[in-house]
Amino acid sequence: EDQVTQSPEALRLQEGESSSLNCSYTVSGLRGLFWYRQDPGKGPEFLFTLYSAGEEKEKERLKATLTKKESFLHITAPKPEDSATYLCAVQDPGTYKYIFGTGTRLKVLA
Amino acid sequence: GAGVSQSPSNKVTEKGKDVELRCDPISGHTALYWYRQSLGQGLEFLIYFQGNSAPDKSGLPSDRFSAERTGGSVSTLTIQRTQQEDSAVYLCASSLGGGRGTDTQYFGPGTRLTVL
Repeated sequence: EDQVTQSPEALRLQEGESSSLNCSYTVSGLRGLFWYRQDPGKGPEFLFTLYSAGEEKEKERLKATLTKKESFLHITAPKPEDSATYLCAVQDPGTYKYIFGTGTRLKVLA
Repeated sequence: GAGVSQSPSNKVTEKGKDVELRCDPISGHTALYWYRQSLGQGLEFLIYFQGNSAPDKSGLPSDRFSAERTGGSVSTLTIQRTQQEDSAVYLCASSLGGGRGTDTQYFGPGTRLTVL
């Protein structure tokens, strides 16, 4: 069964303390891996799409990387405004469904 | 440009009542998705539309749930005879669609449904 697992479930960082979030997946024929940010009471906001192993994308303090089995979201020198839940998803091969992980709740303390 | 919009933002109803949730996708997006997000859970796929057709309804949890899309635009998710376990945030997303290999979904703000 295709699955997406995110770790850790929750992460507390001091402002400026860099870290990484993990998304591991078991799906054959990956068609895309997606990262979203979700703030409380809002819908997920699109961050990145990664298509193939070795690919990297950056946006401000965030960098997403992809291997054949997992993706990392690296957060460099985070600020309190980076506090949110970060979700990853893969597109189910052969369908149009996304399979979402349960997310990592990030709290950055000033 | 305008993003995906959903209404109402909050809905409180009594057990056994019917509710309708509305989604307006991004203009030009032919694909539309409904998801359910319960507290502490991941997003649960409900249904996918390509144009006005729903080729994948596999995520609808029971026959109390139905959805339609008209004019290739607005979609309505209807829950009949609501139960307390239906309480959740219902999210809508749209994408360019059209059978593309990889298709980025953009989400609306969600409708928070509370069944008393």
